Amino acid sequence: EAQLVESGGGLVQSGGSLRLPCAASGFAFTTYTMSWVRQAPGKGLEWVAKMKEDGSEISYVDSVKGRFTISRDNAQNLLFLQMNSLRAEDTAVYYCVRGGATRGYFDPWGQGTLVTVSS
Amino acid sequence: DIQMTQSPSSLSASVGDRVTITCRASQSISTYLNWYQQKPGKAPRLLIYTASNLQSAVSSRFSGSGSGTDFTLIVSSLQPEDFATYYCQQSYSTPYTFGQGTKLEIK
Repeated sequence: EAQLVESGGGLVQSGGSLRLPCAASGFAFTTYTMSWVRQAPGKGLEWVAKMKEDGSEISYVDSVKGRFTISRDNAQNLLFLQMNSLRAEDTAVYYCVRGGATRGYFDPWGQGTLVTVSS
Repeated sequence: DIQMTQSPSSLSASVGDRVTITCRASQSISTYLNWYQQKPGKAPRLLIYTASNLQSAVSSRFSGSGSGTDFTLIVSSLQPEDFATYYCQQSYSTPYTFGQGTKLEIK
């Protein structure tokens, strides 16, 4: 069974940085596009970033461009989100998801990790 | 960016009811529309992909249809475990966008 487990969340001050790892298991990680999706408290879902299986075709939502970097380690089945220059509006649960290829879908989702940015 | 608009935003219904949730895209997305269910404190779960394809292990009470700009999710006979928030999502082009959600509550 495919499983994704995020970690690395926590409380950080505005302007600070945080790196979120996601450990993948139960599927051929090296053959899937992977994404991050976030959800601010009490709000809806927002796609954040994606990376193709070979590390190409990287894309971000405009609100995080230049501040967030998605990366992956295919040898270790790990996906990362490096978040710099954090703002209060980045406060959210961050989900690691399998998928993000154009015309595809997100499945499965990790349990999420909460990032709180204090101003 | 493609805007996704769901209606209604909230819905009260009873066990056994048939409910319909609609999703409209701001431009044509062919059939590249997915539906997710989210329960409080949990991660979303894929229900329907590419407008009408039922994800494995999802109850056949759920069905989806539509193409172009207008899509629907139908729950044929509500069960207690179906009360949740539902989101549509377009995968036609980045940035991938979600509807604002439809909260389905027990009447």
